[in-house]
Amino acid sequence: AQSVTQPDIHITVSEGASLELRCNYSYGATPYLFWYVQSPGQGLQLLLKYFSGDTLVQGIKGFEAEFKRSQSSFNLRKPSVHWSDAAEYFCAVGAGLTGGGNKLTFGTGTQLKVEL
Amino acid sequence: EAGVAQSPRYKIIEKRQSVAFWCNPISGHATLYWYQQILGQGPKLLIQFQNNGVVDDSQLPKDRFSAERLKGVDSTLKIQPAKLEDSAVYLCASSSLGGNSPLHFGNGTRLTVT
Repeated sequence: AQSVTQPDIHITVSEGASLELRCNYSYGATPYLFWYVQSPGQGLQLLLKYFSGDTLVQGIKGFEAEFKRSQSSFNLRKPSVHWSDAAEYFCAVGAGLTGGGNKLTFGTGTQLKVEL
Repeated sequence: EAGVAQSPRYKIIEKRQSVAFWCNPISGHATLYWYQQILGQGPKLLIQFQNNGVVDDSQLPKDRFSAERLKGVDSTLKIQPAKLEDSAVYLCASSSLGGNSPLHFGNGTRLTVT
């Protein structure tokens, strides 16, 4: 069964500082990996995704993530955090299903606080 | 394009009452998902439809939860009777058929059971 671990429940960074959110996954085959962001009272918005190819993927809002198969990790990074990045971040691993669709398993999330 | 629409945004009921949530996916998306997100946790898949057929309902508490997608478009999720532990945000998502298609989420319905 697939699973995702986000070891940091809360992270606080200063505005302008760099950010790295950790994600480790467990999956038997090559995974589909996603990062989503959730602002209070909102649904989840896709930041970026990895399916194959280049292991460094670029997303929206200046975020990037690197897939490292040897470490079963897919960490999210941003070189300079903005106050508007404060939100909850979810890593997810997906299994493409025969016939279509995608079964996602989410981590428990990392709450990001940005200090001005 | 219009996003995934959900209603209502909030619902407060007493335990043992029933409640229903509605979802309208992105036009053309064949796959629809209902997730339950309990406070402090990541979303958990309850049920997945492809068109009007169920693909996966292995984590749906079928003694009290039911869902349908009769015409392969809109979907409703029902809880009857509700328990205190059903308090959560219920998220609907949709995706196209491709195995690597990302999920697009609605804003969710926050359910409080008292």
